[in-house]
Amino acid sequence: NAGVTQTPKFQVLKTGQSMTLQCAQDMNHNSMYWYRQDPGMGLRLIYYSASEGTTDKGEVPNGYNVSRLNKREFSLRLESAAPSQTSVYFCASTIGQGAEQYFGPGTRLTVT
Amino acid sequence: GEDVEQSLFLSVREGDSSVINCTYTDSSSTYLYWYKQEPGAGLQLLTYIFSNMDMKQDQRLTVLLNKKDKHLSLRIADTQTGDSAIYFCAESWSAGNNRKLIWGLGTSLAVNP
Repeated sequence: NAGVTQTPKFQVLKTGQSMTLQCAQDMNHNSMYWYRQDPGMGLRLIYYSASEGTTDKGEVPNGYNVSRLNKREFSLRLESAAPSQTSVYFCASTIGQGAEQYFGPGTRLTVT
Repeated sequence: GEDVEQSLFLSVREGDSSVINCTYTDSSSTYLYWYKQEPGAGLQLLTYIFSNMDMKQDQRLTVLLNKKDKHLSLRIADTQTGDSAIYFCAESWSAGNNRKLIWGLGTSLAVNP
């Protein structure tokens, strides 16, 4: 089992560019999450998908969109990147909401 | 409201015990979790405790839960330099059909040789 995988590991974007962060899990989990992690701010939830076919906003959804492509995959899209979106992005999955979450290795994004 | 609080930094000497503390607000939490994040890596589930337990021990790790004070602690015995990491506390929160994990900001543990 690979667990939760994320691509790419690193990315540098110019302001205004777009990109999609990919996440996949092979644990047959129902729920998937996107977080961003910034120094001193812990983990902040961007979007989540409680089950295949549903997505909901978290604490900081502005500037992002998501797609739950199927049970395995949950992607995060930045339509027009801004320097404030420079962060480390983590994808996580869980068998059910409120249960322990399993994390991917993260994507380190810099927007210049 | 939903809140999990942790102190931000802890520094210990190699071989000493480390105690990382966390307070939470939801008395109906079912599970409480400790995660470890090593530099440049994702979060890894370290251990967890069910809310009807007072203590859980797993090798060098001891989790203590004081439900009355809503206080959770993680003790690492014989702390090693490899234990240097950020430790996150999380509580499983629910209200009706809405369930989620509430995260603390993380405690950065520095182990000095």
